[in-house]
Amino acid sequence: ELKVEQNPLFLSMQEGKNYTIYCNYSTTSDRLYWYRQDPGKSLESLFVLLSNGAVKQEGRLMASLDTKARLSTLHITAAVHDLSATYFCAVLVGAGSYQLTFGKGTKLSVIP
Amino acid sequence: DAGITQSPRYKITETGRQVTLMCHQTWSHSYMFWYRQDLGHGLRLIYYSAAADITDKGEVPDGYVVSRSKTENFPLTLESATRSQTSVYFCASSGGWPDTEAFFGQGTRLTVV
Repeated sequence: ELKVEQNPLFLSMQEGKNYTIYCNYSTTSDRLYWYRQDPGKSLESLFVLLSNGAVKQEGRLMASLDTKARLSTLHITAAVHDLSATYFCAVLVGAGSYQLTFGKGTKLSVIP
Repeated sequence: DAGITQSPRYKITETGRQVTLMCHQTWSHSYMFWYRQDLGHGLRLIYYSAAADITDKGEVPDGYVVSRSKTENFPLTLESATRSQTSVYFCASSGGWPDTEAFFGQGTRLTVV
């Protein structure tokens, strides 16, 4: 059974600071996805990481994937209040599968 | 409107009743999914579909039924609602799964009393 662990689960950070959210998973997979969810809202796709070593950046967010370590990171640079949300990583269960297993999410609060 | 829409947005139903949640997408995406989101469990896949008339079970399919007679619609039916099915339900679609992102609907908050 694939397990996906995010840490931290809660993160309070000051505006302007940098931080990293970690996503570890327990079995081999080469597809990892990051989503953002605002309170009471839907999920918004941030990144799709398709191979080992993949790195993608959008604005103040950068995601990377190390399939050998079974680890993805979401790095936040110079945080702003608008980044406050819950961030989920999700991992494809296995080759030929269509199923995602989600982490429990990291609730990020960016404070002035 | 273009995109993926769910209806209703909110629903209260009684235990034992049948209820259907609707999902409609305008992109002609092949892949569609139903997830439920619960505190402490995160998002879990209920059912998915790779194309019209092709559906398969996800992680938590018991008590749910799906159909997909048309590419754009993927309704989820709770045959006999139970309180444990109180949740927020999200539908999603993707044109190039798993190599491209899945787009999520706005969700349906279902309460079973």
